[in-house]
Amino acid sequence: SQKIEQNSEALNIQEGKTATLTCNYTNYSPAYLQWYRQDPGRGPVFLLLIRENEKEKRKERLKVTFDTTLKQSLFHITASQPADSATYLCALRGGTGGFKTIFGAGTRLFVKA
Amino acid sequence: DAGVTQSPTHLIKTRGQQVTLRCSPISGHKSVSWYQQVLGQGPQFIFQYYEKEERGRGNFPDRFSARQFPNYSSELNVNALLLGDSALYLCASSLRQGLGVTYNEQFFGPGTRLTVL
Repeated sequence: SQKIEQNSEALNIQEGKTATLTCNYTNYSPAYLQWYRQDPGRGPVFLLLIRENEKEKRKERLKVTFDTTLKQSLFHITASQPADSATYLCALRGGTGGFKTIFGAGTRLFVKA
Repeated sequence: DAGVTQSPTHLIKTRGQQVTLRCSPISGHKSVSWYQQVLGQGPQFIFQYYEKEERGRGNFPDRFSARQFPNYSSELNVNALLLGDSALYLCASSLRQGLGVTYNEQFFGPGTRLTVL
């Protein structure tokens, strides 16, 4: 079955450093890979989307890479700030999965001042 | 502009009861999806509706059903509640159904926290 794996352990980094989160998937060939941010008790907020034929996407301090051979995406937050502390969810859509969106369990990020 | 709204915010039910959750999408959005999020897990897809028709269903039992109304709002119904149905139920709206880039961005509501005792 389709499976998405994200670092289950929380990531703790110092303010100003770059946070790197990993998303690996199996049994899936998605057309799109998305990253969402979720704060406690709130719904996820869409951040970035990258297509299967794209290697890298940037938006302000965010960068996403997508390697369809390794079936992996890396999500980077540069110059991290305490306000970036949240859970970050990887999601796949399209391709062999059709219209539904499949989410990973998320990685909790803590940025210390 | 108002975002996606969901009601109620919190709900406590007992096993065997039935529950109805409501969602109003962003104005102009015609597609609504429902997700179940158990603590510590990512959202799990339940249903997608577009133009009042079911367009996708996840691996949930028939106790789960939904519908979309002419104004594009939606209801999720769960019958014969089990303890394991306790979760945050999220509604997400998107402009349309499709696989183009534009249709990928989903806007989530704050969710309904359901507790089954």
